[in-house]
Amino acid sequence: DAGVIQSPRHEVTEMGQEVTLRCKPISGHNSLFWYRQTMMRGLELLIYFNNNVPIDDSGMPEDRFSAKMPNASFSTLKIQPSEPRDSAVYFCASSFGGGRGTDTQYFGPGTRLTVL
Amino acid sequence: KQEVTQIPAALSVPEGENLVLNCSFTDSAIYNLQWFRQDPGKGLTSLLLIQSSQREQTSGRLNASLDKSSGRSTLYIAASQPGDSATYLCAVRTSGSRLTFGEGTQLTVNP
Repeated sequence: DAGVIQSPRHEVTEMGQEVTLRCKPISGHNSLFWYRQTMMRGLELLIYFNNNVPIDDSGMPEDRFSAKMPNASFSTLKIQPSEPRDSAVYFCASSFGGGRGTDTQYFGPGTRLTVL
Repeated sequence: KQEVTQIPAALSVPEGENLVLNCSFTDSAIYNLQWFRQDPGKGLTSLLLIQSSQREQTSGRLNASLDKSSGRSTLYIAASQPGDSATYLCAVRTSGSRLTFGEGTQLTVNP
């Protein structure tokens, strides 16, 4: 299995531009997670989906952030408009489960976003 | 709100030494606890997962323990090697599938 795939790996954009991050979870997994990692705040959960349905989006910082999962094999995280404080590494992870159980989360390599 | 703390923040040891990384959490109502490894510029790799009903898990040179009532976990690494150098993150799972992470311990094993 190729693991969780994220694209792009690096993104540099200017303030005010729209940014779209993409994730392909491991085939057969039914839960997908978006995290953000910064030096100041560490690793934070932004949103997670179970069976393509958003379950908990309480970590989404503000309305500029939105996430979709149109099918079991694809998800996007969009920032519009982007701001310099959004600069971080964004990780996607997937797991099989979603309820109580041994649902280990498998992480993608991350997208390093820099907003100038 | 669940808070996870890891001590120490950084650790440097000579090769071959046994070492212990510590993790504490404020809310003992957890489903499980995971230890992850993160290499520079890379994603996270799951090392061990301990269910709330378990006391410990072992994988090779790694042993993780869990004392849920006191809100503590330790990761024991035996006979450390330079390849063990990485940041080690502890995460607890509370409601649903939400994971709360500690800030990590940056480990350097010197040859």
